[in-house]
Amino acid sequence: QVQLQESGPGLVKPSETLSLICTVSGGSVSSGNFFWSWIRQSPGKGLEWIGDMYYNGRPQYNPSLNNRASISIDMSRNQVSLKVKSLTAADTAVYYCAREDYGLDVWGQGTTVIVSS
Amino acid sequence: EYVLTQSPGTLSLSPGERATLSCRASESVGRNHLAWLQQKPGQAPRLLIYAASSRATGIPDRFSGSGSGTDFTLTISRLEPEDFAVYYCQQYANTPYTFGQGTKLEIK
Repeated sequence: QVQLQESGPGLVKPSETLSLICTVSGGSVSSGNFFWSWIRQSPGKGLEWIGDMYYNGRPQYNPSLNNRASISIDMSRNQVSLKVKSLTAADTAVYYCAREDYGLDVWGQGTTVIVSS
Repeated sequence: EYVLTQSPGTLSLSPGERATLSCRASESVGRNHLAWLQQKPGQAPRLLIYAASSRATGIPDRFSGSGSGTDFTLTISRLEPEDFAVYYCQQYANTPYTFGQGTKLEIK
């Protein structure tokens, strides 16, 4: 079955850009009618949907990130990417990628990101 | 943006008992695009229920969802030890998708 694996740096400095990768195995990012989402979870804000993308569509984002997020799909590598720029301590969270079918039906295990100098 | 309010914040019950969790939306959730997820410590959330009342693949039938419009309920008919966790509702009717703040189900 489909599995998702997030990867990226665990520690980033304030004002820098975070880059995360979600590698999809057991299925293709371009098959079916699936959107691919990024979600984050912090103690202060709970679960927050960052945005999503269909493989040949335009990404959509949560306005709460103030245009700092960018999602893309690399079909050749079967990966979904997330970039968040102008980081602050408030971006410290566990970041998850997930597949959208009827609801968020497949999740990665998450990767912890700490924003600190 | 849809605001989802879950109640109670914490529910203390014993194995074998029935659990009833509530989720109220700030406006009507279109097409009943409301999901319930379970999260255990150190794990990612897991989809239990989608479209308000449909069980996700592999979810035991002791889990059931109901409701429509602004009021939704997750019921666990007879609690098993592995059911003690945090439960979230989530709407996917309109972006930005939003989550409730969670109900912690703890062993009494």
